[in-house]
Amino acid sequence: ETGVTQTPRHLVMGMTNKKSLKCEQHLGHNAMYWYKQSAKKPLELMFVYNFKEQTENNSVPSRFSPECPNSSHLFLHLHTLQPEDSALYLCASSQVMVPQAFFGQGTRLTVV
Amino acid sequence: AQTVTQSQPEMSVQEAETVTLSCTYDTSESDYYLFWYKQPPSRQMILVIRQEAYKQQNATENRFSVNFQKAAKSFSLKISDSQLGDAAMYFCAYRSAVLQGGSEKLVFGKGTKLTVNP
Repeated sequence: ETGVTQTPRHLVMGMTNKKSLKCEQHLGHNAMYWYKQSAKKPLELMFVYNFKEQTENNSVPSRFSPECPNSSHLFLHLHTLQPEDSALYLCASSQVMVPQAFFGQGTRLTVV
Repeated sequence: AQTVTQSQPEMSVQEAETVTLSCTYDTSESDYYLFWYKQPPSRQMILVIRQEAYKQQNATENRFSVNFQKAAKSFSLKISDSQLGDAAMYFCAYRSAVLQGGSEKLVFGKGTKLTVNP
């Protein structure tokens, strides 16, 4: 248990659905991240939030919409996804003066 | 942009033996951090070990140690006395030490799948 909790653990959605992934951390960290992990590819950074402000969007399609209402919560809103968006989505958090990131267990997303 | 390369997609080791996983990286920065993360079937990415680039001494955590060669931009992980629970995907990662909004991100290699044989 790393202190970063992601829900749901598994999600199957149709291409016309709208769903949201949730990430919560109780570590007092100020930065939160979304990563995408696909088979045979390195983890891809999607978004970075520092003190609730988005500081990086790694050219992510607009069908992925992040939201960070406070430093402890991070959401990823999904709509009109494509089958190639099926992947493991990992949330992480870190603190400015502590270099390592702590990860949640991920949400396994399948788009049908 | 920084890149991290893990040239061994898969490795295997006998229980109780030693295995070394390779990692090379490319950066123009002089101050940074390097990490090895472990991802077991439970999917949770767990930090194994961390190395600060300014430190010449190689990091060690129990059975895990690194061989950090800054000039060669090499960062290998040695697992001694391998245990069945060590079986997992291992990822090498880089993070800049420069704090400029977003630079705290980790850059990962593709990973090495480690199998431990009983």
